[in-house]
Amino acid sequence: DVVMTQSPLSLPVTLGQPASISCRSSQSLVHSDGNTYLNWFQQRPGQSPRRLIYKVSNRDSGVPDRFSGSGSGTDFTLKISRVEAEDVGVYYCMQGTPGGMYTFGQGTKLEIK
Amino acid sequence: QVQLVQSGAEVKKPGASVKVSCKASGYTFTSYYMHWVRQAPGQGLEWMGIINPSGGSTSYAQKFQGRVTMTRDTSTSTVYMELSSLRSEDTAVYYCARAMGDYWGQGTLVTVSS
Repeated sequence: DVVMTQSPLSLPVTLGQPASISCRSSQSLVHSDGNTYLNWFQQRPGQSPRRLIYKVSNRDSGVPDRFSGSGSGTDFTLKISRVEAEDVGVYYCMQGTPGGMYTFGQGTKLEIK
Repeated sequence: QVQLVQSGAEVKKPGASVKVSCKASGYTFTSYYMHWVRQAPGQGLEWMGIINPSGGSTSYAQKFQGRVTMTRDTSTSTVYMELSSLRSEDTAVYYCARAMGDYWGQGTLVTVSS
């Protein structure tokens, strides 16, 4: 199974400052179809998860442009350019291919310093 | 608009089974896979498996093989997740999520307690 490892697991950030979360996979996520199926999710307290980024760097509709995703192969990053109060929550990376097996990272808890 | 509406909270005894439903609306039901994901209290997200609503084929995480069954009813655009031989560690919120997670249900709390 593909293991997803996130760091850090806890991320205190000052309002207005940038934040960065790393996600590493135990094997390359490049699929035979040429796509890399790496998504990022945000889970605010008491809410269902919400997808922010799909296929490494594509922002979902309605997601503020301060969120960006990058990476390739086994190393991926979610960046928030300027953290706002509403960004508090837990962030997860997830890998998988359509119809196949999927795995989540452990989660990174973002809090305001 | 796309909506995934799950069934209500359940309380079960150890050894019992639970069946959670997820009713989809606002899109063509058979065009998108459906995932099941669970989250134990204070823990992270755990992927359980996936079903193709078109043909009914499934793929389960190894951890749940033999204990989980995912089915669908195309006449009502509903997917089901049944987990058997419940133990206290199965206490969690269970979510359905469309495709690669673009839409999620509201979650169903399953509590396993004697």
